[in-house]
Amino acid sequence: KAGVTQTPRYLIKTRGQQVTLSCSPISGHRSVSWYQQTPGQGLQFLFEYFSETQRNKGNFPGRFSGRQFSNSRSEMNVSTLELGDSALYLCASSWQGPPYEQYFGPGTRLTVT
Amino acid sequence: DQQVKQNSPSLSVQEGRISILNCDYTNSMFDYFLWYKKYPAEGPTFLISISSIKDKNEDGRFTVFLNKSAKHLSLHIVPSQPGDSAVYFCAASYDGSSNTGKLIFGQGTTLQVKP
Repeated sequence: KAGVTQTPRYLIKTRGQQVTLSCSPISGHRSVSWYQQTPGQGLQFLFEYFSETQRNKGNFPGRFSGRQFSNSRSEMNVSTLELGDSALYLCASSWQGPPYEQYFGPGTRLTVT
Repeated sequence: DQQVKQNSPSLSVQEGRISILNCDYTNSMFDYFLWYKKYPAEGPTFLISISSIKDKNEDGRFTVFLNKSAKHLSLHIVPSQPGDSAVYFCAASYDGSSNTGKLIFGQGTTLQVKP
């Protein structure tokens, strides 16, 4: 089976711009979770989507949003970028319910200048 | 409030010896624990997991031990190999509508295995 794929792998944006990141889960996985990794905060949960519905959301401002399509592919969007949004954004897919193993993509490295 | 803690930022062991990585948690609702390995510029790779109904789970060179009373788990790698050098993350989850799809991660421990 192909793993989780994320595009693009690297992105450089300017403060105030917006960005859209894409994630394709493992075939058959319907749950997609997004995480932000920074050196200071570690891996922080952003949100989770299942069957096109956001089921859970982490403690991030409303500038961070996402969606899921009928084929389980997911996108996340960050509007009005700030310097502090520079991070590695990771997408993970999993089967519904337990076990809770999540399988991660390679991530998108976002740099905001 | 950090619910999952890895108090050792780094660990160095000799090839062939045992590596022991530790993790503590505070939330008694956690009922599933996972270990991930991460290389630079890559996403975390799932290694091994354990349910709270067990106290040990083995997979090849990797064994995870869970001590619920102490809210502590550990990952043992035997024997350690240079290719095991990476950052190891402990993560926890619990079954509940308020926690779907969410893993809570520790800060990671960087393991260096010396040849």
